Amino acid sequence: GAVVSQHPSWVICKSGTSVKIECRSLDFQATTMFWYRQFPKQSLMLMATSNEGSKATYEQGVEKDKFLINHASLTLSTLTVTSAHPEDSSFYICSARPPVGGSSYNEQFFGPGTRLTVL
Amino acid sequence: SQQGEEDPQALSIQEGENATMNCSYKTSINNLQWYRQNSGRGLVHLILIRSNEREKHSGRLRVTLDTSKKSSSLLITASRAADTASYFCATGGSNYKLTFGKGTLLTVNP
Repeated sequence: GAVVSQHPSWVICKSGTSVKIECRSLDFQATTMFWYRQFPKQSLMLMATSNEGSKATYEQGVEKDKFLINHASLTLSTLTVTSAHPEDSSFYICSARPPVGGSSYNEQFFGPGTRLTVL
Repeated sequence: SQQGEEDPQALSIQEGENATMNCSYKTSINNLQWYRQNSGRGLVHLILIRSNEREKHSGRLRVTLDTSKKSSSLLITASRAADTASYFCATGGSNYKLTFGKGTLLTVNP
């Protein structure tokens, strides 16, 4: 149980285009999902918290107009990198938190990540 | 900003040896978690220790937490080549957000 998928697993795009990344919780409902980015050989940096049915909460320094997050259902959150530039190339990872009340509600279950390369 | 700091940044050992990684943090926490990441992959949750716990075991893993020193350690006993990965500590606060440390790259040589 507690499987999170991401799609696509990798994407290459041209500078100026937009890229959408999907994060799905496959066997549980996730009211909260998180989006991270990770540069090579570095740690994960939280970008935003995505709550189902409401606006995402962005971390300081993350441009909300550039990284659009939509959490339209309890099992799907999407991150759209708009007008991507080479500096946006990174590994983007999502995670989902199980509902409060379960034994593992403090944990986050991570997707396999999406590697974005902007040419 | 990063909350956790792991040391060492990199650790290379022989199969069968024990590996110890340390993590320090700065603010108060609800829990501390350890995750593993194979190169280019997502994270796998290893173990969670709550702020009122001092030690926890799971298989070959042993985690300690010292809230007075704001530090934690992860011990992997009888290491295997398959344990080669990056290991991250992450602190959990009241808002369920996780703040990750910089990680320790563990290499277990066969």
